[in-house]
Amino acid sequence: RKEVEQDPGPFNVPEGATVAFNCTYSNSASQSFFWYRQDCRKEPKLLMSVYSSGNEDGRFTAQLNRASQYISLLIRDSKLSDSATYLCVVNGGAGSYQLTFGKGTKLSVIP
Amino acid sequence: DTEVTQTPKHLVMGMTNKKSLKCEQHMGHRAMYWYKQKAKKPPELMFVYSYEKLSINESVPSRFSPECPNSSLLNLHLHALQPEDSALYLCASSPGQGATNEKLFFGSGTQLSVL
Repeated sequence: RKEVEQDPGPFNVPEGATVAFNCTYSNSASQSFFWYRQDCRKEPKLLMSVYSSGNEDGRFTAQLNRASQYISLLIRDSKLSDSATYLCVVNGGAGSYQLTFGKGTKLSVIP
Repeated sequence: DTEVTQTPKHLVMGMTNKKSLKCEQHMGHRAMYWYKQKAKKPPELMFVYSYEKLSINESVPSRFSPECPNSSLLNLHLHALQPEDSALYLCASSPGQGATNEKLFFGSGTQLSVL
């Protein structure tokens, strides 16, 4: 089983749609979870951390289910500018500097 | 607008050349990283420096040689590379406090082509 698995995509959605990305991880010792976005030929940028209680930042909501080792990202009211690749990132355990990236899910928001 | 600065942005080199990639951050971070990213693939960890000491080497070939002169600088020396080493090389930093929520901040990368 791969360490971090994501929906393969691509997701092509109209503006204003709600879209959800899923991610599963295999290392039960993982403590830190993040969503990064990466535009074509650019560096990954932190979108948000993911907490067990769930967290929201504007149109973005992230959820973590430790029992199922599952992370999700929900984007509401999609904008054209949301088009990017979304990377699920998980660390190797408490105090670990090893962050493992999922392969990413490409999102295209179309007018 | 990244606070991690990488130079050069683009590099073309021959297989016999020696070149260096440079990375600098002034956020007071104590952990610095090199990642390699091929097209349509996720970033892959190469090296981690923590408090200027190499703490992780992900079995990277010796033709890649990292160096951390001080807590703000990270270099990657390249020698005798192969065409398959062509990729985007990303530098990143994090606070390095070993906290549960240690976030990475990436530079804009060096796009390397080996001919």
